[in-house]
Amino acid sequence: EPEVTQTPSHQVTQMGQEVILRCVPISNHLYFYWYRQILGQKVEFLVSFYNNEISEKSEIFDDQFSVERPDGSNFTLKIRSTKLEDSAMYFCASRTGGLAEAFFGQGTRLTVV
Amino acid sequence: AQSVTQPDIHITVSEGASLELRCNYSYGATPYLFWYVQSPGQGLQLLLKYFSGDTLVQGIKGFEAEFKRSQSSFNLRKPSVHWSDAAEYFCAVGAATGGGNKLTFGTGTQLKVEL
Repeated sequence: EPEVTQTPSHQVTQMGQEVILRCVPISNHLYFYWYRQILGQKVEFLVSFYNNEISEKSEIFDDQFSVERPDGSNFTLKIRSTKLEDSAMYFCASRTGGLAEAFFGQGTRLTVV
Repeated sequence: AQSVTQPDIHITVSEGASLELRCNYSYGATPYLFWYVQSPGQGLQLLLKYFSGDTLVQGIKGFEAEFKRSQSSFNLRKPSVHWSDAAEYFCAVGAATGGGNKLTFGTGTQLKVEL
């Protein structure tokens, strides 16, 4: 069964460093998403991406964050100058379109120290 | 703005007992409703979804949910819980905004199953 793949599964970084979280969405999907879940809190929407551009972003997704689909398969989330409060589980998701449901990856646990 | 409330943070049931997890939503138009399950160290797996039609929807692993527009609810049920059902359950509502259809999640309900 096709699945969304995220790497790495766990990343530790020092405060102020840049990190790139990587995702390989399901191959025929057209809409891509990043969500995050701070420990003990709800899953929160960060950004949606369609047709090579951001279609919607939340208040959380400020200038510190950026997304890119550098080739036909990868979808990345870059966090510049990480802060302690960026520590969370980051989920990538994708879907085909219309009313189709989103499929989620296993997540990347980011720890900022 | 859309929102989801899951009033129960933790629920403990005995194996074989029935289960109902509550979910209330707020959304201005017809909602797209979902239940996802998250096992420890795992991602979010879709249990079931509701867009329209029959208000009782069947999902995987023996789960079902009933959409009640008058109560703005979408409660998840299972007649007989198995120990492997222990996990965190998230209700979510989707909004078709410019095709983005982002999901808004509830805070989750942690299910513990006693043997």
